[in-house]
Amino acid sequence: KAGVTQTPRYLIKTRGQQVTLSCSPISGHRSVSWYQQTPGQGLQFLFEYFSETQRNKGNFPGRFSGRQFSNSRSEMNVSTLELGDSALYLCASKGDIVRETQYFGPGTRLLVL
Amino acid sequence: QKEVEQNSGPLSVPEGAIASLNCTYSDRVSQSFFWYRQYSGKSPELIMSIYSNGDKEDGRFTAQLNKASQYVSLLIRDSQPSDSATYLCAVSPNTGNQFYFGTGTSLTVIP
Repeated sequence: KAGVTQTPRYLIKTRGQQVTLSCSPISGHRSVSWYQQTPGQGLQFLFEYFSETQRNKGNFPGRFSGRQFSNSRSEMNVSTLELGDSALYLCASKGDIVRETQYFGPGTRLLVL
Repeated sequence: QKEVEQNSGPLSVPEGAIASLNCTYSDRVSQSFFWYRQYSGKSPELIMSIYSNGDKEDGRFTAQLNKASQYVSLLIRDSQPSDSATYLCAVSPNTGNQFYFGTGTSLTVIP
């Protein structure tokens, strides 16, 4: 089975711009979670989508949004970028079994200048 | 707020020694526990999962869970320089829909 894929892998934006990141989960996985990872804060949970519905949400401002398509692929959007949004954005997919773990994609490294 | 705490380290051990990584969690409903390894610049990869009290062994890795003490640990026997990485502890409630991560412990194995 192919793993979780994320595009793009690297991105440079300037303050005020918006960005869209994409994640394709492992085939058959319907749960997709997004995390922000920074050196100071560690892995911070953004949100989780399951069957096109947001099922859980972390404590991030409304500038961070996401969606999931019928094929389980997910996108994350950040509007009005701030310098502090520079981070590694990780997507993780999970199957439907309760105790199954999450598998991470390679991440998208975003730099906001 | 479900909190997961780990010593940030850095933890240094000589090659061949046992590395012990610890994690405590605050939410008693947590039922699933995971250890991930993350190399610098890479994404986390699963090492082990544990769901029941006691020990679970997989090669050089042993996970230990004590739900009464809300404590989970990872032992790495015969540590190798390739084990040098940040180790993340993650916990999940019974529904298993959301994972809560610690900030990670940085491990360095000295040749």
